[in-house]
Amino acid sequence: EVQLVESGGGLVKPGGSLRLSCAASGFTFSIYTMSWVRQAPGKGLEWVSSISRSTRTYVYYADSVKGRFTISRDNAKNSLYLQMNSLSAEDTAVYYCVRPLWGNDDMIMDVWGQGTTVIVSS
Amino acid sequence: ETVLTQFPATLSLSPGERATLSCRASQSVDNYLAWYQQKPGQAPRLLIYDASNRATGIPARFSGSGSGTDFTLTISSLEPEDFAVYYCQQRKNWPPLTFGGGTRVEIK
Repeated sequence: EVQLVESGGGLVKPGGSLRLSCAASGFTFSIYTMSWVRQAPGKGLEWVSSISRSTRTYVYYADSVKGRFTISRDNAKNSLYLQMNSLSAEDTAVYYCVRPLWGNDDMIMDVWGQGTTVIVSS
Repeated sequence: ETVLTQFPATLSLSPGERATLSCRASQSVDNYLAWYQQKPGQAPRLLIYDASNRATGIPARFSGSGSGTDFTLTISSLEPEDFAVYYCQQRKNWPPLTFGGGTRVEIK
């Protein structure tokens, strides 16, 4: 079964840091571009970041997180990460790990994890 | 950045009725548009990709059309499980990937 399982969310104070993880299983993780998408409470979907199947190719960020968040992956561990620094209340959201439909950067968001919740509050 | 505008924001319909949801792009996205369904407390689910292709396992009552800047998602006859929020997303002009603001389909 194709599965993405996020972890690492929680309550953090403004200015703090958090590292999200996404464990992939049931497919060949290394051939897929991977992404993070978030959803603030009661709001719509917002793309956060994407990383190509080889980290030497590209990483992209939304302007809202550029310079504060770092996406990375470990293909040997079938894992995707999101290091989040300088967090503010605007980063409060459910964060989804997402795999595209095909084994390239098609960016059709086919497989979603269940999400992990990040709450930034003092 | 390609802005996607979805309308209406809310659609109030009864089971069995036809639902027509719209998504307009601020610039051409060719046919590189997808539709997702999201129910409360759940992750989004891919319905339609590249404007008109149903994803695996999606019922035939869901159909998509359009190209360039104007797109439509049609649900031919609403089932009780179809009441949800629907989002469009473009992959033509990225980064950034962008989503529409969503259309809520609610029971009338």
